Amino acid sequence: NAGVTQTPKFQVLKTGQSMTLQCAQDMNHEYMSWYRQDPGMGLRLIHYSVGAGITDQGEVPNGYNVSRSTTEDFPLRLLSAAPSQTSVYFCASSRRQIGELFFGEGSRLTVL
Amino acid sequence: QQPVQSPQAVILREGEDAVINCSSSKALYSVHWYRQKHGEAPVFLMILLKGGEQKGHEKISASFNEKKQQSSLYLTASQLSYSGTYFCGTTPLVRYTGANSKLTFGKGITLSVRP
Repeated sequence: NAGVTQTPKFQVLKTGQSMTLQCAQDMNHEYMSWYRQDPGMGLRLIHYSVGAGITDQGEVPNGYNVSRSTTEDFPLRLLSAAPSQTSVYFCASSRRQIGELFFGEGSRLTVL
Repeated sequence: QQPVQSPQAVILREGEDAVINCSSSKALYSVHWYRQKHGEAPVFLMILLKGGEQKGHEKISASFNEKKQQSSLYLTASQLSYSGTYFCGTTPLVRYTGANSKLTFGKGITLSVRP
């Protein structure tokens, strides 16, 4: 039982490059979300989805895009990477909209 | 808007008790508590829904005062394994639909339990 799988675990980008952080869950969860974690800032919500085809913005959505074409996958796209996007990114899923979040192991992104 | 957590840090000796607080300026539908150990993902502790219920998880319990938009996490007889960063997350109360699934977390509190 894989749970929530994030890839890649580590990535280094140059300013201006684009990339996609992948997130997949095998628990048939309706709700999925992306957070970034920076020292002293806690977990900040980037985007979330309450089901396939439905996404919404969180607290810090600028510079990121998401889509939810299937229940299982919720990729996070960085359009033009900036040093301010250096962070640890966590994907999480939940069986229902208000419920226990299962987190992936995280993806550490460095933008030079 | 992030909920505010206090105190900023807690240092305990094994067996001591602690209280961590979480407050919001907005009406809340739910409060969520997670613990994160260094280098790992956050792990779920409990959820409290509006209604003032109190929940327990091992020797960790929590309360939710919806009128004051506050929640407290109580750790009793702390163990070394309780060390970590504790996050509270909140979802807002929406007048017409009742609940909104936008879960925002506070900055977290580092709790250290020493032998």
